Amino acid sequence: DVKVTQSSRYLVKRTGEKVFLECVQDMDHENMFWYRQDPGLGLRLIYFSYDVKMKEKGDIPEGYSVSREKKERFSLILESASTNQTSMYLCASSSKEKLAKGTQYFGPGTRLLVL
Amino acid sequence: AQTVTQSQPEMSVQEAETVTLSCTYDTSESDYYLFWYKQPPSRQMILVIRQEAYKQQNATENRFSVNFQKAAKSFSLKISDSQLGDAAMYFCAYRSSNFGNEKLTFGTGTRLTIIP
Repeated sequence: DVKVTQSSRYLVKRTGEKVFLECVQDMDHENMFWYRQDPGLGLRLIYFSYDVKMKEKGDIPEGYSVSREKKERFSLILESASTNQTSMYLCASSSKEKLAKGTQYFGPGTRLLVL
Repeated sequence: AQTVTQSQPEMSVQEAETVTLSCTYDTSESDYYLFWYKQPPSRQMILVIRQEAYKQQNATENRFSVNFQKAAKSFSLKISDSQLGDAAMYFCAYRSSNFGNEKLTFGTGTRLTIIP
């Protein structure tokens, strides 16, 4: 089974702090994704990565950056946390293999509160 | 750009009954994938069912089935014999079949409550 883990389930930070959210997958997937989930808005893509050291902006990249130095690890960075970044953050991974049909596997999520 | 619409923010169903969750999408592509994901309270999001647009046959996974109407751009999820464990947020999602386009576009979700 695919396992996607995230470094924290709950996180409380102060406005202006630099925040690191980490995601690790154990299935050698090429693709990794960061979403934020807000009530009534569904999941919105922040950034994604097709390969090591590759990154692409999603729909709402402002205020975020990412890092992918190793294939299994994808980090989301909030350079200077703001209260409007309080949200649930979900990491996902998927295989490029055609047979996988792009199915994404999700981590348990990190609920971030910025005070 | 593709969009996915779930017009039912909340639904409820009696245990053992059948419920249908609606999803519509907008795309100009002819080949794509559609997904239903389930997110139980405080638990991980998991795939429920997947449909490939070029397949006319509706996908089925045990008690879960879809009604895929390509011309109408509709993709509803039917849950038969509802169980307490089916209580969750359900998200509909779209993915292009173009190689290299790995993004999923999600709807806003439907919260399903099961009434004992």
